[in-house]
Amino acid sequence: AQSVTQPDIHITVSEGASLELRCNYSYGATPYLFWYVQSPGQGLQLLLKYFSGDTLVQGIKGFEAEFKRSQSSFNLRKPSVHWSDAAEYFCAVGVLYSGGNKLVFGAGTILRVKS
Amino acid sequence: ETGVTQTPRHLVMGMTNKKSLKCEQHLGHNAMYWYKQSAKKPLELMFVYNFKEQTENNSVPSRFSPECPNSSHLFLHLHTLQPEDSALYLCASSRGIDTEQYFGPGTRLTVT
Repeated sequence: AQSVTQPDIHITVSEGASLELRCNYSYGATPYLFWYVQSPGQGLQLLLKYFSGDTLVQGIKGFEAEFKRSQSSFNLRKPSVHWSDAAEYFCAVGVLYSGGNKLVFGAGTILRVKS
Repeated sequence: ETGVTQTPRHLVMGMTNKKSLKCEQHLGHNAMYWYKQSAKKPLELMFVYNFKEQTENNSVPSRFSPECPNSSHLFLHLHTLQPEDSALYLCASSRGIDTEQYFGPGTRLTVT
C-alpha cells in the first residue's frame, strides 16, 4: 500500500540555522509529491510540488525540496530558518485510484524555532 | 472572498444533534475534498467530488453525509456523531483530480 513516512515528529532549530525535514514514500509508480505547512488552528498551505522534470523544486517562503527516486525521498530544505517558520509540515504523495488522484499524507513534523 | 472558505470555524454539538459544515471555493476548481484531522493521526481523506460527482468514499461511516450541489460548494451533513468524531475537518479543492489541492482553514468540531 502507498505510504509516506516522516521520521521526525519534532525538530528544533535555531533561528538562522539551516533546516532539512525528511520524507520517504512508498509508491510503485512515478509519484506526485507535495509539501504543505500548517500553522496552529489553520488549514494546510502548499509550499511546493513535484510532478516531473527538474528534481530540485523551489517553493514559497524560501523552501526547496529534492526528489531522489533511488532513495524514495523528497526532503524539504531551507538555508536559513526564520521564527515565523515554526509550524507543522506535512509531506504527501498523490496516488492514482479509479476516480483520479488522491493525497496520502505523512504524520507530520513539528518545527520549533529557538531564538 | 478568495481561496477556500469554511463555516463554521468552530462547532460544538451533542451526539443527537444534526448539523452541517459548509465549504466554498472561489478558485474555479472542479474537484473538492473532505479530510479529517485527528490528534496524533495522519490526515485522512473522507470524500472526493469531481465535477459534482462523488468519486471516492474512504469507508466513512454513514453518520457523515456529503453533498456537492455544484463545483463551488461542498457540504458535510452530520448526525448522531460520536465523541471520537471530534476533530478538525478540512475542505480542499483542486483544478483537476490530478493537480495540487488548496485547503480551507477547517472546522474544529467537538462532539459532547
